[in-house]
Amino acid sequence: SQQGEEDPQALSIQEGENATMNCSYKTSINNLQWYRQNSGRGLVHLILIRSNEREKHSGRLRVTLDTSKKSSSLLITASRAADTASYFCATDEDDKIIFGKGTRLHILP
Amino acid sequence: NAGVMQNPRHLVRRRGQEARLRCSPMKGHSHVYWYRQLPEEGLKFMVYLQKENIIDESGMPKERFSAEFPKEGPSILRIQQVVRGDSAAYFCASSPSPGLPYGYTFGSGTRLTVV
Repeated sequence: SQQGEEDPQALSIQEGENATMNCSYKTSINNLQWYRQNSGRGLVHLILIRSNEREKHSGRLRVTLDTSKKSSSLLITASRAADTASYFCATDEDDKIIFGKGTRLHILP
Repeated sequence: NAGVMQNPRHLVRRRGQEARLRCSPMKGHSHVYWYRQLPEEGLKFMVYLQKENIIDESGMPKERFSAEFPKEGPSILRIQQVVRGDSAAYFCASSPSPGLPYGYTFGSGTRLTVV
């Protein structure tokens, strides 16, 4: 099953700009996570937001969650070249994590 | 703490051969998950195992694929009689408890190429 769906599928921005990625999901959740994947590597956990939270910050990352709309957004402020990667949202379903298809972010120098 | 270890990193098999992928979870983690990722796509859940038990194999193809997590040793994902469509990156993740909120720690993956 495919729970989360990110948009856009791909995003290119200039270094220093902010990047926003969105995720929509279908069923009710307990938690939502965002992961990053650099090309050819495994996934790295970025941030987790619980269903009773609306916003969470971690460094240059800001995540929001709107359970009424079943959507979440990931904002990366002051983007850097090293932020170039794919970003996935993930939700819990029956004790396992289901990932969306991801947003491919490319930071232009 | 070495993290989740997967080997081999790269595996090339001819059509019809068997592929064995290994995953050693983080120390203290007894829950293991296998995912498959096709090029330019997200991760698709395959199977969730605890020690000596398959908990959820709803994402596993019905034929040729099997997984185990023995009492001792790594978890093994086995693909028999591989076909070109099996070419993908296979990721293993482990956690101390099922699902969220603990999150998963991922290995670096095994990239299987079937020629």
